[in-house]
Amino acid sequence: EVQLVESGGGLVKPGGSLRLSCAASGFTFSNAWMGWVRQAPGKGLEWVGLIKSKTDGGTTDYAAPVKGRFTISRDNSKNTLYLQMNSLKTEDTAVYYCTTAPYFYDSSDYYRYYFDYWGQGTLVTVSS
Amino acid sequence: SYELTQPPSVSVSPGQTASITCSGNKLGDKYVSWYQQKPGQSPVLVIYQDTKRPSGIPERFSGANSGNTATLTISGTQTMDEADYYCQAWDSSTAVVFGGGTKLTVL
Repeated sequence: EVQLVESGGGLVKPGGSLRLSCAASGFTFSNAWMGWVRQAPGKGLEWVGLIKSKTDGGTTDYAAPVKGRFTISRDNSKNTLYLQMNSLKTEDTAVYYCTTAPYFYDSSDYYRYYFDYWGQGTLVTVSS
Repeated sequence: SYELTQPPSVSVSPGQTASITCSGNKLGDKYVSWYQQKPGQSPVLVIYQDTKRPSGIPERFSGANSGNTATLTISGTQTMDEADYYCQAWDSSTAVVFGGGTKLTVL
């Protein structure tokens, strides 16, 4: 059974930093592309970013609002995904979900992905 | 930036068919996924690559995508299907984009 368990959320002041973790089990973590999606209170889903498997280069994609401030990394020896969040803003307040992100190639040979398994989420509150 | 537009709410009677739309420029040229989210729970993938259902998702859920509109159809809607539904697609300029969500009410 696939399990994704996020941790590390909490209250942080604007300008501060926080690191989220996601412990994965029930699948071969090292082969998986992994993503982060967030949801502000009472709002919709917003993609944060993705990290590919190391065999696929281990590179990352980020949404424009977080690019340059957030960093996604992974430790395959610990089956753990990370989200380092710096220079936090009040608009970063949200529940952050860890997801698996199966990928495929479209007719133009570009990679695409979706989010099939989701963790329970961890709440990050940015407030003074 | 690319945008996906969903109706804020859709209502359906139990046993009837619910259709939730997602609109975007040339959306039919992109692959669409759909997610169900019940109150206080994490989202669940119900459709991916326009029409495919993950294992464990009931057959009453189906998807279509053509032109500028993708549609999630729930046949024989049940009260347990009451939830928020989000579409998601890929765009070369914005990467992953989600629709604003549709609240499905079954009454």
